[in-house]
Amino acid sequence: NAGVTQTPKFQVLKTGQSMTLQCAQDMNHEYMSWYRQDPGMGLRLIHYSVGAGITDQGEVPNGYNVSRSTTEDFPLRLLSAAPSQTSVYFCASSLYRGRNEQYFGPGTRLTVT
Amino acid sequence: AQKITQTQPGMFVQEKEAVTLDCTYDTSDQSYGLFWYKQPSSGEMIFLIYQGSYDEQNATEGRYSLNFQKARKSANLVISASQLGDSAMYFCAMRTITGYSSASKIIFGSGTRLSIRP
Repeated sequence: NAGVTQTPKFQVLKTGQSMTLQCAQDMNHEYMSWYRQDPGMGLRLIHYSVGAGITDQGEVPNGYNVSRSTTEDFPLRLLSAAPSQTSVYFCASSLYRGRNEQYFGPGTRLTVT
Repeated sequence: AQKITQTQPGMFVQEKEAVTLDCTYDTSDQSYGLFWYKQPSSGEMIFLIYQGSYDEQNATEGRYSLNFQKARKSANLVISASQLGDSAMYFCAMRTITGYSSASKIIFGSGTRLSIRP
């Protein structure tokens, strides 16, 4: 199993550009989520999904869109990039409930200039 | 609203000593789970231990144990016999059940940076 994969690993955007961060998992996990981690800080939940076709907002959803058309994929779209979105983005997946820990991708380091 | 609080931004501990990392949480849900993750300088997130709100025993995984005090809403991580490789950021996280959709989201605290001195 590849686990949770994220692409790209690094990205530089100009203010106002849009882009999609890709996330895929091959563990048949129902639950997937996106977090951002700013320097020296914890992870803040952006959006999450409990299955194909079902998504919900987390703590910091503004400026981001998600969709979940398949169990495997959960892309994160930045609509109009802003310098405040400079961060490391982590995708994670797990079985839906209970004591099942999340498996994390390696992260995408995004810089918006 | 659900919240995780880690009040120790940084800690220094001598090698081979035990260390306790604090975590308090706030939720109105009766059913929830608490996790601890380790993030070394390489950046990956490593799962350490889990405690369910209905678990009667405190969780243990090797040198890691979770001191769960439900009435105080605390879930402190205890690392026994610390090693140099334990130097990392440590995050406490909580899985809760939200209202209308019974969707289950996981939120994190701000983390504690643990440094082990030789």
